[in-house]
Amino acid sequence: QSVLTQPPSASGTPGQRVTISCSGSRFNIGENYVHWYQQQLPGTAPKVLIQRNDERPPGVPDRFSGSKSGTSASLAISGLRSEDEADYYCAAWDNSLSGWVFGGGTKLNVL
Amino acid sequence: EVRLVESGGGLVQPGGSLRLSCVASGFSFSSYEMFWVRQAPGKGLEWVSLIIGSGSPMYHADSVKGRFTISRDNAKNSLYLQMDSLRADDTAVYFCARALVHYPMDLWGQGTTVTVSS
Repeated sequence: QSVLTQPPSASGTPGQRVTISCSGSRFNIGENYVHWYQQQLPGTAPKVLIQRNDERPPGVPDRFSGSKSGTSASLAISGLRSEDEADYYCAAWDNSLSGWVFGGGTKLNVL
Repeated sequence: EVRLVESGGGLVQPGGSLRLSCVASGFSFSSYEMFWVRQAPGKGLEWVSLIIGSGSPMYHADSVKGRFTISRDNAKNSLYLQMDSLRADDTAVYFCARALVHYPMDLWGQGTTVTVSS
């Protein structure tokens, strides 16, 4: 079981808005930044989508947005496109574990 | 070119050892925290180890603590992962990655595959 909890799957149709949640505790999300990654294919290098809760790195479309409240964080994708079909992971430092923790990942299907 | 290239993966028997390497190029290696992250077949990402830019301190996930050791050689722009007492559940693709403090892992290698099997 992952320390950060994500839904295993999400889906939407092209043009829709979808949200992926990430639930943790005060030791990780509550006290530290949350980052979001996109992995197009298992076994390939992930890409940063959202950094430090809600910042978009250069080159990431503004269709992607992040938010954090208390011990939970969310990734929102608007104007869904077929190329958004991928696995999405949240991550945060955990003060009690003295280590990084990832969510279990959410597989996004674009129908 | 800014890149990370891992090597050293392979097939090893349970209880065996393996040393992974990651060579960095195109950036100031010593300025970055460096990570090992793995992904077992059909599973999600799992953080393995972290080493600070100066080389100390180091942190390891509970699942590998006492068996794996991360290290770095800033003069050689290289990161290492010494893996001992390997188990079947260590089978995974191992990625090295970099990050600045309080920032995400923004550069990843292509991964190297470790298979632990008799």
